[in-house]
Amino acid sequence: QKEVEQNSGPLSVPEGAIASLNCTYSDRVSQSFFWYRQYSGKSPELIMSIYSNGDKEDGRFTAQLNKASQYVSLLIRDSQPSDSATYLCAVLTLNTGTASKLTFGTGTRLQVTL
Amino acid sequence: DGGITQSPKYLFRKEGQNVTLSCEQNLNHDAMYWYRQDPGQGLRLIYYSQIVNDFQKGDIAEGYSVSREKKESFPLTVTSAQKNPTAFYLCASSKGQGSSYNEQFFGPGTRLTVL
Repeated sequence: QKEVEQNSGPLSVPEGAIASLNCTYSDRVSQSFFWYRQYSGKSPELIMSIYSNGDKEDGRFTAQLNKASQYVSLLIRDSQPSDSATYLCAVLTLNTGTASKLTFGTGTRLQVTL
Repeated sequence: DGGITQSPKYLFRKEGQNVTLSCEQNLNHDAMYWYRQDPGQGLRLIYYSQIVNDFQKGDIAEGYSVSREKKESFPLTVTSAQKNPTAFYLCASSKGQGSSYNEQFFGPGTRLTVL
């Protein structure tokens, strides 16, 4: 079983719609959760961090975390063509006595159509 | 401007050659990381360093080596022992290793191709 799972997509949404990206993780002691955006040929860019259950909003982005269900999602409102990219979910687990570990999913490719 | 720089942007290696990828940060971050990204796979951790003069192996360290002589610099050497080195190499840094609020920020990456 993969530690962090994402649907590879592509997820296609029309311009102006809400894009919903989902991620599940297997380690119950995971504590911090991140969403990165990666344009083709570029490096990942951190767009959202979430540490506690519930919703966190930043502009058009909302991250949602449900630790009981081991589920984290990213909503993008009013999707724009410039949002077309691959979105990586990353999960941080602190380990007693050893270093913390950030595990990445393989990413979901989002296509925003005109 | 604070940030992370990587050089070169593109690198071509012949079979049997060692090559070194540069990573520099001026964010005053203690921790630095090297990842490798292959098509269809998530980022995989090669090495990381929590502090100067200390580093640990990640999940796929075989065929790679690093040094951390300065806080700002964390070069990665891809040795001839690495059997499949063609990949996109990403350097990242964070304030520290022990906090759960440990956001990692990435450099622009180096694309290595073996000829």
